[in-house]
Amino acid sequence: QVQLVQSGAEVKKPGASVKVSCMASGYTFTNYNINWVRRATGQGLEWVGWMNPNSGDTGYAQKFQGRVTLTRVTSISTAYMELNSLGSEDTAVYYCARNEPRTGTFDYWGQGALVTVSS
Amino acid sequence: DIVMTQSPDSLAVSLGERATINCKSSQSVLYSSNNKNYLAWYQQKPGQPPKLLIYWASTRESGVPDRFSGSGSGTDFTLTISSLQAEDVAVYYCQQYYSTPPFLTFGPGTKVDIK
Repeated sequence: QVQLVQSGAEVKKPGASVKVSCMASGYTFTNYNINWVRRATGQGLEWVGWMNPNSGDTGYAQKFQGRVTLTRVTSISTAYMELNSLGSEDTAVYYCARNEPRTGTFDYWGQGALVTVSS
Repeated sequence: DIVMTQSPDSLAVSLGERATINCKSSQSVLYSSNNKNYLAWYQQKPGQPPKLLIYWASTRESGVPDRFSGSGSGTDFTLTISSLQAEDVAVYYCQQYYSTPPFLTFGPGTKVDIK
C-alpha cells in the first residue's frame, strides 16, 4: 500500500535551518510529484512547494522563494524539504503529499512532522 | 496568485442536519479545454493529515461517503454534508490546482462542529 513516512519532530533556534524527510513506498517514486504543505497552530493549510522526483524540477510558493529547497534521493525513494532562516512563524506541522497526476490533487499524505522554532 | 476565500469561518450543525460551506476563488478555475473546474475539497481532523474528499469540484474520491457532495463552477463552489455525523467534525478546506506551473492555494478553512 502507498505510504509516505516522514522524519520526526524537530526543535530549532531562530535563524537555524531544518531538513524534513519523506520516504515513499508502495508505488514508483519517480512517477508522482511530491508537494509540501504546512499548518501552523491555529492557522490553515499553506502550500510550500512541489518537486518532480524524476527530473528534480521544483516550484515554490512566492512566500518561501529563496528560503526553501526541495530535493530527493531516488535510490531510497525519499524527498526532502529544507527551510532556512527559521523564525517563530515557521513553527508548524509540515506534511508531504503525493500528487495524483490524473486529477492533480493530493491523494496520499505523510503523517506530518512538527517543527518548533524557539529560543 | 489565485486567492481562495471560504465562508463561514465556522459553523455548528445538529446531528443529521445539513452543513453547507462556500468557497470562492479570485479568478475562474474552470479550464475551458476540458470543461473541468480545478477545485478540490479536503477534510482535516485533529492530529491527522488532510484527506481528499472531492476533486473536479464535484467528483467524490473513492471511499468518501455519499453524504458529501460538491457543486459550483468558475469562481463559486459549495461543499455540502447532507446529514452531519459525529465523525464529520473537522476543518474543511477548498484548494485550487488551476495555476500553472503548479502554484496551489488553499482556502482558510471552515471548522464544523456539532450543535
